Amino acid sequence: KQEVTQIPAALSVPEGENLVLNCSFTDSAIYNLQWFRQDPGKGLTSLLLIQSSQREQTSGRLNASLDKSSGRSTLYIAASQPGDSATYLCAIETSGSRLTFGEGTQLTVNP
Amino acid sequence: DADVTQTPRNRITKTGKRIMLECSQTKGHDRMYWYRQDPGLGLRLIYYSFDVKDINKGEISDGYSVSRQAQAKFSLSLESAIPNQTALYFCATSDPTGLQGGYTFGSGTRLTVV
Repeated sequence: KQEVTQIPAALSVPEGENLVLNCSFTDSAIYNLQWFRQDPGKGLTSLLLIQSSQREQTSGRLNASLDKSSGRSTLYIAASQPGDSATYLCAIETSGSRLTFGEGTQLTVNP
Repeated sequence: DADVTQTPRNRITKTGKRIMLECSQTKGHDRMYWYRQDPGLGLRLIYYSFDVKDINKGEISDGYSVSRQAQAKFSLSLESAIPNQTALYFCATSDPTGLQGGYTFGSGTRLTVV
């Protein structure tokens, strides 16, 4: 059974700082890895999707990497802004088209 | 309009009542899912459907049922609601090729069972 762990559970940084969120998974036989953002009480917004054959994806100030052999993914946020404050979720798609989620990292960016 | 629309957004119901949560999508995806989110437990899969004739149980299907009325519509029912079904419920669709961005989630339905 796939297990997904996100570290740290919470992170508080000053505005402008670059930061890295970590996601680890136990089963390297994945189809895709997807990073989501969730604002309090709201839905999930897709940030980046990395297919199993890819090593990284970039969108604006966000860069996600995938290392299947070590069971790790990172989400790098450059020049953080208060509007980046949210919970970031890592989700792994394995066989049968099912997503397994980590519990998320709650990010606070202080002005 | 949102790609995945859930109704209602919020609902309070009494123990023992039957309730239906509805989901519709304009993504054109065949695959649809229902998840629930609880603090400390993350998101867990309730049911999923790969097409109109294909319905599958997820990891926590007890107490729930679903109906796939059309490619674009997937509803979740609680036959007899109980307080521990209080949660945030999400509908999602997916594109198995990954070319359309993977999974798309609705805005959620906050359900409270009293």
